[in-house]
Amino acid sequence: GENVEQHPSTLSVQEGDSAVIKCTYSDSASNYFPWYKQELGKGPQLIIDIRSNVGEKKDQRIAVTLNKTAKHFSLHITETQPEDSAVYFCAASMATDKLIFGTGTRLQVFP
Amino acid sequence: GAGVSQSPRYKVAKRGQDVALRCDPISGHVSLFWYQQALGQGPEFLTYFQNEAQLDKSGLPSDRFFAERPEGSVSTLKIQRTQQEDSAVYLCASSLGGQNEAFFGQGTRLTVV
Repeated sequence: GENVEQHPSTLSVQEGDSAVIKCTYSDSASNYFPWYKQELGKGPQLIIDIRSNVGEKKDQRIAVTLNKTAKHFSLHITETQPEDSAVYFCAASMATDKLIFGTGTRLQVFP
Repeated sequence: GAGVSQSPRYKVAKRGQDVALRCDPISGHVSLFWYQQALGQGPEFLTYFQNEAQLDKSGLPSDRFFAERPEGSVSTLKIQRTQQEDSAVYLCASSLGGQNEAFFGQGTRLTVV
C-alpha cells in the first residue's frame, strides 16, 4: 500500500523567513496531494492541495510543488508569521479518496 | 452548524468497557471517513463510507472495532472491550466525494485507563 514519508519532524524559523516541508510517496498511482494544518486540540484543516496533472500551485504565502517522476512534493510558506505555528501534515490519495498521511512537521515561528 | 461535529469531545473508559463515538458530517456530504490519531503521529485511516455503504474497512485494527452509517448521514464508531492501546484521538471527516476537500471534525479523545 501507499506510504508517505515527511521531513523534517520539527522546524523552527524566525518570523518573516521561509519554511519548507518535504514529503515522498511510494505508490505512483497516487494522484491527489493535500496539505493539512493542525492546531492544538483541533482537527486537521486543509490549507492547499495539488493534483497530479499540475506541477505547482500557489495561494498567497503558501505554495506546493509536485515532482511525479521523483514521487515527492513540498510545501513552501513564505513570510512566516507566528500564527503559522502548528503541525503540518502532507497526505496522498488515489481514486478511493482514502488519505494516507505523513508523520507531521511541527513548525514554530519565533517573533 | 456548518462543520463536522463529533461527540463526545473527551471520553475516559475503563479497560474492557465498550464505547460509542458519534460523527455528524456536513449535510449533503456523501463520503465519510474515520481516522485514528495517536499522540504525535499523523492520522491513520480506519474506515470509509459512501452514503450508507461501508466501502473500505481495511484500517480497523481488530474485530473489536465496528462502524456504521445506517441512513447515510450520522456515523457511529464503536469499540468493544477497550484496551489501553485504543487510547487516541478519533477523527471523523466528510467530503462531497471524488477527491474533493475532506473536512475534519475536532475529534474525540479516548483515554482507556
